[in-house]
Amino acid sequence: DTAVSQTPKYLVTQMGNDKSIKCEQNLGHDTMYWYKQDSKKFLKIMFSYNNKELIINETVPNRFSPKSPDKAHLNLHINSLELGDSAVYFCASSQEGRGYTDTQYFGPGTRLTVL
Amino acid sequence: SQQGEEDPQALSIQEGENATMNCSYKTSINNLQWYRQNSGRGLVHLILIRSNEREKHSGRLRVTLDTSKKSSSLLITASRAADTASYFCASTYFNKFYFGSGTKLNVKP
Repeated sequence: DTAVSQTPKYLVTQMGNDKSIKCEQNLGHDTMYWYKQDSKKFLKIMFSYNNKELIINETVPNRFSPKSPDKAHLNLHINSLELGDSAVYFCASSQEGRGYTDTQYFGPGTRLTVL
Repeated sequence: SQQGEEDPQALSIQEGENATMNCSYKTSINNLQWYRQNSGRGLVHLILIRSNEREKHSGRLRVTLDTSKKSSSLLITASRAADTASYFCASTYFNKFYFGSGTKLNVKP
């Protein structure tokens, strides 16, 4: 059973297109995240949702819009894709404990290539 | 940047040797975590140490934390070829979560 799953695994698209990445967790966690890992392997948090409510929105272009239909799903929609958006995007989830972030469980990643 | 730094960036050792990786962070923390990332895969949680702890063990892993220096180290003893991966530290403070830059470990058989 996959704890945190993402689709698609690979996404190749042209500049200017709009695309979505889906994430689902079956761990019953309250909080989900999106991270971007660039070519130098830096992992940067983009968004965090707790029970469908946005709690972290780091400096990310507003072309990126997260959507959480329920607490088990957090999708990432990207408008007007640019070359610099090429990266691996990871979804993660955690069960917030005592008001602070505990262990995170990561999905396998989605490698986005913008041509 | 609020991300931490890891040192060394890359480490190559022989199977059976110990591997030590260091991490420095910039903010106050509730806890510090270490993760492993195999090539082309997601991150896997290894160990968590709370801000009031100084040392923690889990199997072949030993983590230390020095909050006065804002640093942590991960020691992998008796390394195996299967330990080859990138290792990241992550400092957490309430709902903030910052990853270090990672150490790429290569264990040669």
